Amino acid sequence: EAQLVESGGDLVQPGGSLRLSCAASGFTFSSFSMNWVRQAPGKGLEWVSYITRSSSLMYYADSVKGRFTISRDNAKNSLYLEMNSLRAEDTAVYYCARLQFLAWTSPFDSWGPGTLVTVSS
Amino acid sequence: QSVLTQPPSVSGAPGQRVTISCTGSSSNIGAGYDVHWYQQFPGTAPKLLIYTNNNRPSGVPDRFSGSKSGTSASLAITGLQAEDEADFYCQSYDVSLSTFVFGTGTKVTVL
Repeated sequence: EAQLVESGGDLVQPGGSLRLSCAASGFTFSSFSMNWVRQAPGKGLEWVSYITRSSSLMYYADSVKGRFTISRDNAKNSLYLEMNSLRAEDTAVYYCARLQFLAWTSPFDSWGPGTLVTVSS
Repeated sequence: QSVLTQPPSVSGAPGQRVTISCTGSSSNIGAGYDVHWYQQFPGTAPKLLIYTNNNRPSGVPDRFSGSKSGTSASLAITGLQAEDEADFYCQSYDVSLSTFVFGTGTKVTVL
């Protein structure tokens, strides 16, 4: 069974940086595209970023473009999100999510429990 | 900011049938992109409930069903149970935004 576990969430000041990690197990990590999805307190889900199996393509939501960088290490079965110039509106639980198939029409079929990022002075 | 619109809440008595709508546009659902549904309990991660419009992953009760027509989709819960109280989100892809998009979310309350 696929398992995803995020880590790295913390309290950070506005303008600060943070790096999130997602450890994958129970499946062939290198065979799946991966994503970050976030949820602000009391709010809905927002897709943040996507990376292909080989890291050949990365996409970002406009709200984080230029500030966040997604990456992965298939040898370590790990996904990352480098977050810079953090703002209060980036405060959220960040989920690592697996894309079931290699298509834009695919669902997110496995999610981690999430890690909380709080941006506040 | 969500491009998929859902009712904020729906409610029903145990045993009743409730439906949740997900209204999109010609650049997402109407463009032929599949709709998926997730169930989320407080303090936990979303869980895939319905995929590709009307398919249930293994372990999801057949009380849950999905449909899609035109620029909209729906999730139906028949034989509503107390354990169904949760938030539900639809999700698709938007070709104009080139992003995955989620619905605004619907809280289901069992009376």
